[in-house]
Amino acid sequence: GAVVSQHPSRVICKSGTSVKIECRSLDFQATTMFWYRQFPKQSLMLMATSNEGSKATYEQGVEKDKFLINHASLTLSTLTVTSAHPEDSSFYICSANGPSGNTIYFGEGSWLTVV
Amino acid sequence: DAKTTQPNSMESNEEEPVHLPCNHSTISGTDYIHWYRQLPSQGPEYVIHGLTSNVNNRMASLAIAEDRKSSTLILHRATLRDAAVYYCILSDTGNQFYFGTGTSLTVIP
Repeated sequence: GAVVSQHPSRVICKSGTSVKIECRSLDFQATTMFWYRQFPKQSLMLMATSNEGSKATYEQGVEKDKFLINHASLTLSTLTVTSAHPEDSSFYICSANGPSGNTIYFGEGSWLTVV
Repeated sequence: DAKTTQPNSMESNEEEPVHLPCNHSTISGTDYIHWYRQLPSQGPEYVIHGLTSNVNNRMASLAIAEDRKSSTLILHRATLRDAAVYYCILSDTGNQFYFGTGTSLTVIP
């Protein structure tokens, strides 16, 4: 099946710094990708919809200036957590519309720890 | 906002069938019913999806009620590797997923 890959799988950064997480569709083009956040023992929460060549659409309550999303190509979307704080520590997951359009494929997720 | 209701947890004996229910009484005509499962520290894995008719694939079967207000994911023979959190999600063609709490499936050896 279609493959979505995230990098890095784990990252530790210092409070106040920025960190970038990449999401790639490996064998298909994805005009739309989605970013989620998941805290331990909780469900996934949709953060934003990433659209190739245009601005991302953020869910209510998600700070667009803190979570910068760039979808510069049909196979790559990036999430940058700016001025990270310990409360931003979480599991970040991306997904993309598969080639058939009706199936969503998820990346492996990226653990962010802010110390 | 999640538009589905699932039991928080279920148990099944290994090698026995498992029926995971999902209620979605506010489903619209264009909503697909998707099922994903998630292991700890992994991204969700696609299981199956459907619109109106029952669906079968190598992983599972999806039984959709005639009024589409509920559905059931059927694992025909549970294995230990099927232990996961199962999410039932409604989505139209926009494919934005709003996850509910899901059902944590425990498989007993």
